[in-house]
Amino acid sequence: DAKTTQPPSMDCAEGRAANLPCNHSTISGNEYVYWYRQIHSQGPQYIIHGLKNNETNEMASLIITEDRKSSTLILPHATLRDTAVYYCIVRATMYSGGGADGLTFGKGTHLIIQP
Amino acid sequence: GAVVSQHPSWVICKSGTSVKIECRSLDFQATTMFWYRQFPKQSLMLMATSNEGSKATYEQGVEKDKFLINHASLTLSTLTVTSAHPEDSSFYICSAKPPDKSSYEQYFGPGTRLTVT
Repeated sequence: DAKTTQPPSMDCAEGRAANLPCNHSTISGNEYVYWYRQIHSQGPQYIIHGLKNNETNEMASLIITEDRKSSTLILPHATLRDTAVYYCIVRATMYSGGGADGLTFGKGTHLIIQP
Repeated sequence: GAVVSQHPSWVICKSGTSVKIECRSLDFQATTMFWYRQFPKQSLMLMATSNEGSKATYEQGVEKDKFLINHASLTLSTLTVTSAHPEDSSFYICSAKPPDKSSYEQYFGPGTRLTVT
């Protein structure tokens, strides 16, 4: 699996867009970029994933560079409840037979939303 | 949709006793569930993969005789910490993947905090 690099921490003002970077320069052609977050003392929460096109859902947007060596998770209007550790994970998805595999979490980015 | 629950949410037990933690997928069936452990200020570490109807697969360094996993049905996996010791105190979290989701779009339970005294 491709290694990812994220800043250990970031601050963002409430109401502003939070942009969380992730470097994955060794990503392979069949590997997707997944983002999860973990609010303190809770289980992780799936946010979004993508392969090469930008993706958007009700939680966030994912921007992947054209060379796929880095990506940015964007929380458009950050609230205090978005304070969490955000994990960027790169894995090749298995679609055959609906298979699944465990996730490998790095250290992530601790995003602190300031009031 | 895609809700995973765990029970109990926290437990305190004495050293030497066993503790069972349940993980349930409430609105979907999961042939595979995963168990993670998280120590304070550290990231989640995958412990084992729980397969319905077959033996669990353990990660390197995880003692299968100490952490017993049973995946009795498509909605329930249990983790039993046998002969618990203070060093087993941790946050235990399970996850599952709905059948219509991609492999790594997984849904996590709220976690179980185990304290062994």
